[in-house]
Amino acid sequence: NAGVTQTPKFQVLKTGQSMTLQCAQDMNHEYMSWYRQDPGMGLRLIHYSVGAGITDQGEVPNGYNVSRSTTEDFPLRLLSAAPSQTSVYFCASRTRGGPDTQYFGPGTRLTVL
Amino acid sequence: GQQLNQSPQSMFIQEGEDVSMNCTSSSIFNTWLWYKQDPGEGPVLLIALYKAGELTSNGRLTAQFGITRKDSFLNISASIPSDVGIYFCAGRYTGTASKLTFGTGTRLQVTL
Repeated sequence: NAGVTQTPKFQVLKTGQSMTLQCAQDMNHEYMSWYRQDPGMGLRLIHYSVGAGITDQGEVPNGYNVSRSTTEDFPLRLLSAAPSQTSVYFCASRTRGGPDTQYFGPGTRLTVL
Repeated sequence: GQQLNQSPQSMFIQEGEDVSMNCTSSSIFNTWLWYKQDPGEGPVLLIALYKAGELTSNGRLTAQFGITRKDSFLNISASIPSDVGIYFCAGRYTGTASKLTFGTGTRLQVTL
């Protein structure tokens, strides 16, 4: 049981490049979310999903796309990276209707030059 | 978007001392959560609070859901070196099961 896994752990992009941050969980959790963490800002919600095929915007969705084709996977896409997207990205999952234990992945540190 | 105000931003304490931190919001939450984040890792849930006035403990940690539902408090008793990290509060609104709003964090450093 690996919990929430994220790849890659580190990534450097040039402005305008695209990439996908991968997130997977093996706990059969319905809810999955993407956050970004910036110094002094705490974690801010980018997008979230309450089940396969259902996604919605969080607090800071601009510049990011998501999809949820399976319960296990919730990739985050940057279509045209910008320096303002330099951040640490965390994926999280939790079960619907259960305890509030939201499991976080180890994070992806992204730098956009 | 809204962010929760957490204080203090950082604190240095000596091993064995008690620690208090708090989190305030301009809006009402129906759930308050406290997380700890170690360097290079994701946050880990410490305590969850679901009712105004609720006081919940987890070992040396005690958290309270403020009566106004706009604040929450976390206390750590008899701190030890492994308490070092960043502590985040988070709140959830009614009907938004998957949307958490996080505080700005309190960085705790413990000296021997």
